[in-house]
Amino acid sequence: DGGITQSPKYLFRKEGQNVTLSCEQNLNHDAMYWYRQDPGQGLRLIYYSQIVNDFQKGDIAEGYSVSREKKESFPLTVTSAQKNPTAFYLCASSMGTSTRETQYFGPGTRLLVL
Amino acid sequence: QKEVEQDPGPLSVPEGAIVSLNCTYSNSAFQYFMWYRQYSRKGPELLMYTYSSGNKEDGRFTAQVDKSSKYISLFIRDSQPSDSATYLCAMSAPGGAQKLVFGQGTRLTINP
Repeated sequence: DGGITQSPKYLFRKEGQNVTLSCEQNLNHDAMYWYRQDPGQGLRLIYYSQIVNDFQKGDIAEGYSVSREKKESFPLTVTSAQKNPTAFYLCASSMGTSTRETQYFGPGTRLLVL
Repeated sequence: QKEVEQDPGPLSVPEGAIVSLNCTYSNSAFQYFMWYRQYSRKGPELLMYTYSSGNKEDGRFTAQVDKSSKYISLFIRDSQPSDSATYLCAMSAPGGAQKLVFGQGTRLTINP
């Protein structure tokens, strides 16, 4: 089955720790995205990538980093510089990079701070 | 002011009722309009996709776009308890990289 997988489902972070969220897709999509969802605030774009080895900052990139070494993978690192990391993180992908392309979402990772 | 405004609810209606969900927006460049459904602790799934103005129907769901009023709607007919979820509107403008702008989401409960 084609789709987007995210792991882990739940992740706990200690103070000062960097953590990495995994996102993999087997849809052969070119573009991939990371969003953060907080209660009452909808989804906000963290980073996006239109092609391998290239990515751009979204609206709330501070405290996060990404890489895109393979077409199917787009991991997100939440660094210690992100002071309020508790949120639901969603990865998405789209076939192309045009604004008319539909984005498909993974099941999400819930990050909690210990 | 947010680019996209959506009443977060919660909205509670009896089974079988017609549900109306709405979003307003301020950016006249938006051309592509989407509705996503998100069940609790799950990722959003695309429900409806509309380009520019007009109506689109898919089974019990109808999406309407009124660009002159910068207003979009999702109607659910014969609502079912399985429709209980958060509904997110999203939209984007042509040109450049694809960036979806989301509403806050409306939490909907259909009561049996």
